[in-house]
Amino acid sequence: EADIYQTPRYLVIGTGKKITLECSQTMGHDKMYWYQQDPGMELHLIHYSYGVNSTEKGDLSSESTVSRIRTEHFPLTLESARPSHTSQYLCASSESAGGKETQYFGPGTRLLVL
Amino acid sequence: EDQVTQSPEALRLQEGESSSLNCSYTVSGLRGLFWYRQDPGKGPEFLFTLYSAGEEKEKERLKATLTKKESFLHITAPKPEDSATYLCAVHNQAGTALIFGKGTTLSVSS
Repeated sequence: EADIYQTPRYLVIGTGKKITLECSQTMGHDKMYWYQQDPGMELHLIHYSYGVNSTEKGDLSSESTVSRIRTEHFPLTLESARPSHTSQYLCASSESAGGKETQYFGPGTRLLVL
Repeated sequence: EDQVTQSPEALRLQEGESSSLNCSYTVSGLRGLFWYRQDPGKGPEFLFTLYSAGEEKEKERLKATLTKKESFLHITAPKPEDSATYLCAVHNQAGTALIFGKGTTLSVSS
């Protein structure tokens, strides 16, 4: 089981502010992911990374950006927060072994943009 | 199109009343079907992975089964602490993302 940490757990911020959501994992997993989840709705992938200096956009379009400078760290940044960005953001990591892969999730960051 | 549909959306059980949750999927070349448990305000907690039809896995009161088109999560003699939202997911065809269903919210009363 992976240990994945997300900070902050809750964030209330005004429109136009720049924010960074932190995600770190201690298992040395190469792959990391960011999902967005609205209440009662499915998780949707917004970004993923298969290793250092590798980032890709997911299925759900997002105005956020990510970086992967260190294996264990995968921060997500919103340059100018808007009320439409209000959601729960979930970070995950995984490793592949013999073609089998399981994603483990962090506790999430609940973002409210006023 | 890769898709996951879970039913029912919500399920209320009495303690000890066994039942099953359904997850139907459409994806070309299944690369794994995943069950997660999610408590309010928390991230999904991994439960099971199933890879081929006929496979079964168990953990305490939970048992997951897989056919070519759907998976079932059987809950035997549930307790109030089993109350949570249960999520089903499959890898998309490209293998780059998990496709999640909306989940089944289970409430078990004593």
